[in-house]
Amino acid sequence: AAGVIQSPRHLIKEKRETATLKCYPIPRHDTVYWYQQGPGQDPQFLISFYEKMQSDKGSIPDRFSAQQFSDYHSELNMSSLELGDSALYFCASSSRGQPQHFGDGTRLSIL
Amino acid sequence: AQTVTQSQPEMSVQEAETVTLSCTYDTSESDYYLFWYKQPPSRQMILVIRQEAYKQQNATENRFSVNFQKAAKSFSLKISDSQLGDAAMYFCAYRGQLFMEYGNKLVFGAGTILRVKS
Repeated sequence: AAGVIQSPRHLIKEKRETATLKCYPIPRHDTVYWYQQGPGQDPQFLISFYEKMQSDKGSIPDRFSAQQFSDYHSELNMSSLELGDSALYFCASSSRGQPQHFGDGTRLSIL
Repeated sequence: AQTVTQSQPEMSVQEAETVTLSCTYDTSESDYYLFWYKQPPSRQMILVIRQEAYKQQNATENRFSVNFQKAAKSFSLKISDSQLGDAAMYFCAYRGQLFMEYGNKLVFGAGTILRVKS
């Protein structure tokens, strides 16, 4: 079965650079979620989209923005990167309230 | 705000034995969903089991079962016949009731590391 696809799997950036993470949800899933998991921590919700509209917002820094496109894929844009942004970024998708299925994550390292 | 508490940072179990991971939560909602996710060293997030709060019957998935106590706001995971592949971080998660078809975020506990001894 098709799963949530995230790219890239690994990304290394320097402070003050920008990064774009991509997420391709499971086909026919209408909701996309972004989570950030710091080292040794639980995932923290950042933002979600339902049918291409932002549906909920969590602890997402103002330096970050996200959107969902007409083909339902989503991108998380991160600017002015800081050391503390080093984390595993998960995208998850779901349909009509069914359980969220997670991608394998993008590991972002800030040097 | 909803909170999820996992009071066991780490647990160990002998292969083929049974282990129970604890989870409590706090909410003012009457209808919600609870989940257990497994995160192995590969860092994937894998759904293990889910429970709808309106269902009194405890969920079961093969060797995994839950003890859902709604009044006590407790949601424990029991793993029977533990296998080496069960070694992972286990997260308990809460999701509120769907609101106007908008998906609700997951609120996670801090996690419990499960070690399986051969």
